[in-house]
Amino acid sequence: EVQLVESGGGLVQPGGSLRLSCATSGFIFTGNWMSWVRQAPGKGLEWVAIVNQDGSDKKYLDSVKGRFTISRDNAKKSLFLQMDSLRAEDTAVYYCARGAGYILDYWGQGILVTVSP
Amino acid sequence: DIVMTQSPDSLAVSLGERATITCKSSQSVLSSSNNMNQLAWFQQKPGQPPKLFFHWASTRESGVPDRFSGSGSGTDFTLTISNLQAEDVAVYYCQQYYSAPLTFGGGTKVEIK
Repeated sequence: EVQLVESGGGLVQPGGSLRLSCATSGFIFTGNWMSWVRQAPGKGLEWVAIVNQDGSDKKYLDSVKGRFTISRDNAKKSLFLQMDSLRAEDTAVYYCARGAGYILDYWGQGILVTVSP
Repeated sequence: DIVMTQSPDSLAVSLGERATITCKSSQSVLSSSNNMNQLAWFQQKPGQPPKLFFHWASTRESGVPDRFSGSGSGTDFTLTISNLQAEDVAVYYCQQYYSAPLTFGGGTKVEIK
């Protein structure tokens, strides 16, 4: 069974940093792209970033470029999102998603990030 | 960036009736490499993560009831729920995976009339 479990969320002040983690199991981690998608409270889905199987190809939403960094540890079957210079508009539930290429076929339960003074 | 536009924002349908959701992309998402539309549909119920329902615009995921169907090509797509059931109440999103940034439609909330 494919499982994706996010952690590392919480309350942070504007300008602060957080590192999200996504622990995976139930599939061959090195065989898949991995992505982060977020959803602001009461709003729709917004893709944030994606990384290829060996971490050499990364793409980002324009509004997070230079502030967020996606990475992965294939030995630990884990995905990460380092979020710096956080803004109020980054407040959202962040989902980790497995990619079959760019097809986001399995999602974690999500983790809440709140950016507030 | 490819802009995805869904309509309507919400709709209320009687049990057993048909619900139709449309999704338009600002440019074609038809891949020239495999002649497939790089369009997905997701269902999201309250408090749950999105669940992939269709990819390649019309390929139903395992476990999705066959009362759901996806169609369309190029820039115009449709998700149809025939014989609406109570458990189909949810928000449905289309998403293009033709190119990054991956983009979603704004969502359509389906309710029971």
